[in-house]
Amino acid sequence: LAKTTQPISMDSYEGQEVNITCSHNNIATNDYITWYQQFPSQGPRFIIQGYKTKVTNEVASLFIPADRKSSTLSLPRVSLSDTAVYYCLVGGANSGGYQKVTFGTGTKLQVIP
Amino acid sequence: EPEVTQTPSHQVTQMGQEVILRCVPISNHLYFYWYRQILGQKVEFLVSFYNNEISEKSEIFDDQFSVERPDGSNFTLKIRSTKLEDSAMYFCASRPLVSGYEQYFGPGTRLTVT
Repeated sequence: LAKTTQPISMDSYEGQEVNITCSHNNIATNDYITWYQQFPSQGPRFIIQGYKTKVTNEVASLFIPADRKSSTLSLPRVSLSDTAVYYCLVGGANSGGYQKVTFGTGTKLQVIP
Repeated sequence: EPEVTQTPSHQVTQMGQEVILRCVPISNHLYFYWYRQILGQKVEFLVSFYNNEISEKSEIFDDQFSVERPDGSNFTLKIRSTKLEDSAMYFCASRPLVSGYEQYFGPGTRLTVT
């Protein structure tokens, strides 16, 4: 599991786009970049995963530059319900591996009305 | 949309008692996990399970803990003799056969040891 660095906290107003950047300078060639969201007293929720360029789903977009040493999770037009902790994870190259998830402290996003 | 379910949602037990936490993973997933989160702390890995055996476990997962998949759907975590410090949220997760860290977590069981 590659070391990642992400901001401890962020504030945003409702309706704004939020970008959370994660640095992972020692990402390995076959590593994936995965983001989770966790609300208080709930299980972590898988949001999005990518390998390179851009991935988009109904919840978020993930931008990965060519060197893959960082990635940005983009949440369009956040609402109060997006207030949560967001975790960036890098690794899991082997699909047959056991892939235990090691969570760091994440980024605590506070959406303000 | 299929989801991981866990029962009970909250379990209160006395120190020294045995508890069994139950999980039903997503049906076509092959890898299963237990994690725990002590209030205000990080989510910690306990154990992974594949092909009916433990594949990896953390130092937290000592002899007091065991896991079992008694049938084709349930996945259980047993704590033989609970301690006060076992009080935490316990999350079950399952994963399809894909690369990366795409796992699906259940809603958790809050275990309170008194």
